[in-house]
Order: sequence, then C-alpha cells, then structure tokens
Amino acid sequence: QVQLQESGPGLVKPSETLSLTCAVSGYSISSGYYWGWIRQPPGKGLEWIGSIYHSGSTYYNPSLKSRVTISVDTSKNQFSLKLSSVTAADTAVYYCARPFMVRGVIPTDAFDIWGQGTMVTVSS
Amino acid sequence: EIVLTQSPATLSLSPGERATLSCRASQSVSSYLAWYQQKPGQAPRLLIYDASNRATGIPARFSGSGSGTDFTLTISSLEPEDFAVYYCQQRSNREVTFGPGTKVDIK
Repeated sequence: QVQLQESGPGLVKPSETLSLTCAVSGYSISSGYYWGWIRQPPGKGLEWIGSIYHSGSTYYNPSLKSRVTISVDTSKNQFSLKLSSVTAADTAVYYCARPFMVRGVIPTDAFDIWGQGTMVTVSS
Repeated sequence: EIVLTQSPATLSLSPGERATLSCRASQSVSSYLAWYQQKPGQAPRLLIYDASNRATGIPARFSGSGSGTDFTLTISSLEPEDFAVYYCQQRSNREVTFGPGTKVDIK
C-alpha cells in the first residue's frame, strides 16, 4: 500500500524558508513518473505548487516559481519542498501527492495518493 | 496558464437528488481533466480522471463527461456522505491548475 507522509516545522517566521519533506512508503520513488506538492490556505481552494519528474525536471506554479525548489532524495525514498521568503500568505496545509497509475503502471494527470497534509503557519 | 472555472459556487440539494457540477477551461485540455471530492479536515479524494473514468473504488453514482473546454461531474443520487466540496483539475504542458471548487450542501 503506497503511503505519503509530510513532515516539517509547523511554524515559520516571515522572510525565512519553509522546508517540508514527503516520505514515500510502499513504493520506490524512482519508479514514479512524477510527484507533486499542493497547498490549501485555510478556508480556500487547492493550489498546485510544483512537480518533479523521474528525469529530475521540475515544473512550478508561475506565481511561486521564483521562490520554490523541489528535489528528490532516492536514497531516503522521499522528496522535498523549499519555499523561500515566506509571508503570511503562505500559511496553508501543504500536501504531497502521487498521480493515479492506470493498471498500476501508466501515469495519469490526476493525483490519487495524497499525504494527510501538514499545516504550516507563517508568523513571527 | 490554463484557468479553470467552476459553477455553481454552491449547490444546495437534498439527499436522493441529482447533482450536476460544471468545470470550464480557458483553453482546450482535451480529455485530461480530473475531479476530486474534499471533506473538512481531509485530503482530496480522486473521483474521476481523464474526464470520464472513475478512479478505483469510486461508486457508479459518480460520472464525468466532456472534452475540450467544457466538463461535467454528475452525482446521480446524492448520498449523505456526498455533501462536500468538489474540485476539477487539469495538467497541461506539465503545469497543473485547480478550479475554485463547488460546495454541495444540504438543502
């Protein structure tokens, strides 16, 4: 059973860097076509942050691109998110996710396995 | 960037009624559109991928249709557990966008 678990500080000061990790269990991260980070501010909708592909290529939300870095650590079977120069507007629940795989092997454009989410508050 | 618009923002219905939710894309996404259900305090749950295919374990009362720029999620007969927020999502040129959501609440 594939499971994702986000971890990281729940409180980050303004102007600092938010760092989160998504630990993957039950599946080799190297086998995944791509992995994603999505966030949701309190009471608001879902916002895609970015994705990292098996090739190592990364794609980011244009509105966040200058502040985001996503990377993979295959030795630890996890991938990470860094968001720099945070403000109160970055306060949100942060989710990591894996796309749905048709017949277990063909990746789709939809995320079906999500972490439980981790709340990050930006405040001094 | 492809913008997704969902309507209505809120849909007030009774259990047993049919729910029809709309998602419109600012440009064609072919059939690469997904639908999610989200309940308070939970991660989104994938319902439909590629516009019309139910994800694993999703009941048959959920169906999706459409292609190009106009898509519909239909819940044929609302069960009590279906009252939630529904989001559409697309991935084009490796960029992902979500719609703002439709809340289905109890009338």
